[in-house]
Amino acid sequence: DADVTQTPRNRITKTGKRIMLECSQTKGHDRMYWYRQDPGLGLRLIYYSFDVKDINKGEISDGYSVSRQAQAKFSLSLESAIPNQTALYFCATSDLQIGDPRGTDTQYFGPGTRLTVL
Amino acid sequence: GQQVMQIPQYQHVQEGEDFTTYCNSSTTLSNIQWYKQRPGGHPVFLIQLVKSGEVKKQKRLTFQFGEAKKNSSLHITATQTTDVGTYFCAVLVADSGGSNYKLTFGKGTLLTVNP
Repeated sequence: DADVTQTPRNRITKTGKRIMLECSQTKGHDRMYWYRQDPGLGLRLIYYSFDVKDINKGEISDGYSVSRQAQAKFSLSLESAIPNQTALYFCATSDLQIGDPRGTDTQYFGPGTRLTVL
Repeated sequence: GQQVMQIPQYQHVQEGEDFTTYCNSSTTLSNIQWYKQRPGGHPVFLIQLVKSGEVKKQKRLTFQFGEAKKNSSLHITATQTTDVGTYFCAVLVADSGGSNYKLTFGKGTLLTVNP
């Protein structure tokens, strides 16, 4: 979806390096997410943010940190990359409003960043 | 936390055969969404089901929500090579505080089609 962009699209790095993956969206959504995808494991949630002042850990947050610089920007950092962080990373946004249980939380994904840690 | 089990993990069919993937939950769901991810692509929203026993169709795709709202299925009639990809179900669950909701994805079913 062109409304959600991720940079870089591909990255090869070495063990111990600090890496930042960036996500920008023009959909005007408050909610943003970072997922990791590995073969056979589906989409696993790393961190999510319901608005600029809200950051929450997902199921696999160890070794990762995030920053929500603005409504439109949500970056994911690997402070010291390790080989088992090699994966496909997706950013997503959704239109669910905070505290509104009636929404659908339909998610709009970016194109993904393929990260390889050697 | 609430889990959704999706089966099968993989399915290979001959072009023209039908395909079905299932999502099952131990608890009652408020709704369920389905996404498709083409090889090399990103997940794309297909549909949402909300009502008990709901059935929705999109061309050759039929989506069903169980009467008890604990399971759902996606059925593709007469598969084509364009159907290749991974199909995910996703359900809305309350966070630990109970006041906000977020989507939780099943592990997906990878469909391959032999032409």
